[in-house]
Amino acid sequence: EVQLVESGGGLVQPGGSLRLSCSASGFTFSSYAMHWVRQAPGKGLEYVSAISSNGGSTYYADSVKGRFTISRDNSKNTLYLQMSSLRAEDTAVYYCVREDIVVVVAAPTFDYWGQGTLVTVSS
Amino acid sequence: IQLTQSPSSLSASVGDRVTITCRASQGISSYLAWYQQKPGKAPKLLIYAASTLQSGVPSRFSGSGSGTDFTLTISSLQPEDFATYYCQQLNSYPPFTFGPGTKVDIK
Repeated sequence: EVQLVESGGGLVQPGGSLRLSCSASGFTFSSYAMHWVRQAPGKGLEYVSAISSNGGSTYYADSVKGRFTISRDNSKNTLYLQMSSLRAEDTAVYYCVREDIVVVVAAPTFDYWGQGTLVTVSS
Repeated sequence: IQLTQSPSSLSASVGDRVTITCRASQGISSYLAWYQQKPGKAPKLLIYAASTLQSGVPSRFSGSGSGTDFTLTISSLQPEDFATYYCQQLNSYPPFTFGPGTKVDIK
């Protein structure tokens, strides 16, 4: 069974830092690109960051570029999001998401999501 | 690529046929997915490649469209279908942007 379990969320002051982790199991982690998606309270889904299967390529939304760093440790089946210079607008539930490619239609999908971890930025 | 959804919310009754539209700012072929999200839960993949039903998803859900205009249809709304629905484009990587969502609630 595929499982993605996020951890590391919590309350942090503006300007502070936090590292989120996502522990993956039930699949060959090193074969899949992974993503972080967040959702502010009462708002929609916002795409945050992506990393290729081998970690060689990364992407960041403009809203977090220069402040967040995505990484992965394929030996530990774990995805990370290092967040620094946090702002009130970063307050959200952060989801770890697996990207699968459905070969028959050559289409990517976000097929498995973690349960999310809440980050609250407040003084 | 920007996505818009309409309506932003709707009220419907059990048994109703419900249609939600997603429009992309430029052509995305068939690289569109639909998700269902219930309060306090993670989104759940319903449809990918515009019209392919994810395994385990009831057949009352269907998707159609290509290019810039897409539709999610629920043929007969069930009590468990009251939720928020999001479209997502997966043509332009990255980012794989999401639509703003459509909330379906009980009339």
